[in-house]
Amino acid sequence: AQKVTQAQTEISVVEKEDVTLDCVYETRDTTYYLFWYKQPPSGELVFLIRRNSFDEQNEISGRYSWNFQKSTSSFNFTITASQVVDSAVYFCALSEGDGANNLFFGTGTRLTVIP
Amino acid sequence: DAGVIQSPRHEVTEMGQEVTLRCKPISGHDYLFWYRQTMMRGLELLIYFNNNVPIDDSGMPEDRFSAKMPNASFSTLKIQPSEPRDSAVYFCASSLGGGRTEAFFGQGTRLTVV
Repeated sequence: AQKVTQAQTEISVVEKEDVTLDCVYETRDTTYYLFWYKQPPSGELVFLIRRNSFDEQNEISGRYSWNFQKSTSSFNFTITASQVVDSAVYFCALSEGDGANNLFFGTGTRLTVIP
Repeated sequence: DAGVIQSPRHEVTEMGQEVTLRCKPISGHDYLFWYRQTMMRGLELLIYFNNNVPIDDSGMPEDRFSAKMPNASFSTLKIQPSEPRDSAVYFCASSLGGGRTEAFFGQGTRLTVV
């Protein structure tokens, strides 16, 4: 079974629209870590955010915000007022347990922002 | 710090040849990871090191793959002999605290085996 599910394979929005990328995870551990990475067309993986399982506070960073809800095992990512530079593939990832080191990645959501 | 540095950026080789991918992690990071990205399988962990010691190589697909970390600033991933199905983007990443902290990725090596 997939530990991280990103059900949206591709999303297209018009510039300045808001967009939410969904991430649902599955784990039996009480301690775990969630991440979002961005992969622009140039190919590198860029770290965006990390959250541990004990911190359910939502976070905002500029136009980016993240909604972590343990009750629904979701860690969704919203981009407000999208821009063309936001076009990329976005990956959600999970690391389980305090001693585990493997990052389980979702299959990614390809976001295209149309000017 | 320049970040994680991988070389080469692109590699085209013939089936059966040996391929060596190189990685320099961020200084001070105790963990080094090798990932492979393909369309079919997405991003998958091949192996990771902690303080230069291989900890988990269960993701290495077969004996043709080997990885070493002779010191804290250098790691290699070797494929011998290479096969067309090894064509993928190989990423190296490093982190301070393993899975508890964010991993910083190199720009990747795009390997094509013909």
